[in-house]
Amino acid sequence: GAVVSQHPSRVICKSGTSVKIECRSLDFQATTMFWYRQFPKKSLMLMATSNEGSKATYEQGVEKDKFLINHASLTLSTLTVTSAHPEDSSFYICSAMPGNTIYFGEGSWLTVV
Amino acid sequence: AQSVTQPDIHITVSEGASLELRCNYSYGATPYLFWYVQSPGQGLQLLLKYFSGDTLVQGIKGFEAEFKRSQSSFNLRKPSVHWSDAAEYFCAVGPSRFGNEKLTFGTGTRLTIIP
Repeated sequence: GAVVSQHPSRVICKSGTSVKIECRSLDFQATTMFWYRQFPKKSLMLMATSNEGSKATYEQGVEKDKFLINHASLTLSTLTVTSAHPEDSSFYICSAMPGNTIYFGEGSWLTVV
Repeated sequence: AQSVTQPDIHITVSEGASLELRCNYSYGATPYLFWYVQSPGQGLQLLLKYFSGDTLVQGIKGFEAEFKRSQSSFNLRKPSVHWSDAAEYFCAVGPSRFGNEKLTFGTGTRLTIIP
């Protein structure tokens, strides 16, 4: 079964609103989680590294104020897309690592209309 | 900068036929290479990985991949595909054998299986 779970799997929001995506580690504690984004017909791109109890580390070019990451517990990291615009429509996927193997969540499709 | 190229966007093969998905990488240090599969509505699942030793690695679901340093390639193969293999396949390179740091992915190859 899945060891990393994301919710929601699909979400549609209006332009200008904010939307939160959750990434949960199941049956293990994850001090570090990773958030990726996949543009249509493009590869997965690492957005940020989520660190439990501290600030996330963002990759170059990723807007920190737009993509808010909170890792308040050892089993939950959240990605909030603030003031969403149609260009934020994308596939977002998280990952975590119990032991020496990385596992990915199911991903979340965001559509901003 | 590291990069991964998957030249084939979409491949169609008949069930039972052999499969080879291409992956070329550019990496300044010892590459740690991975193949992931993404089925519709599912997350990414690790098929196999290479970080040292035998250049032919075996993975799950009957897949294997061969690391060729001279060609900077890490092609994925399967001798006989099954309809359930239809999915998106991603090649990735990273700085760690565990794949937990800053993976760089290719653009993916979508595999369609026909009866």
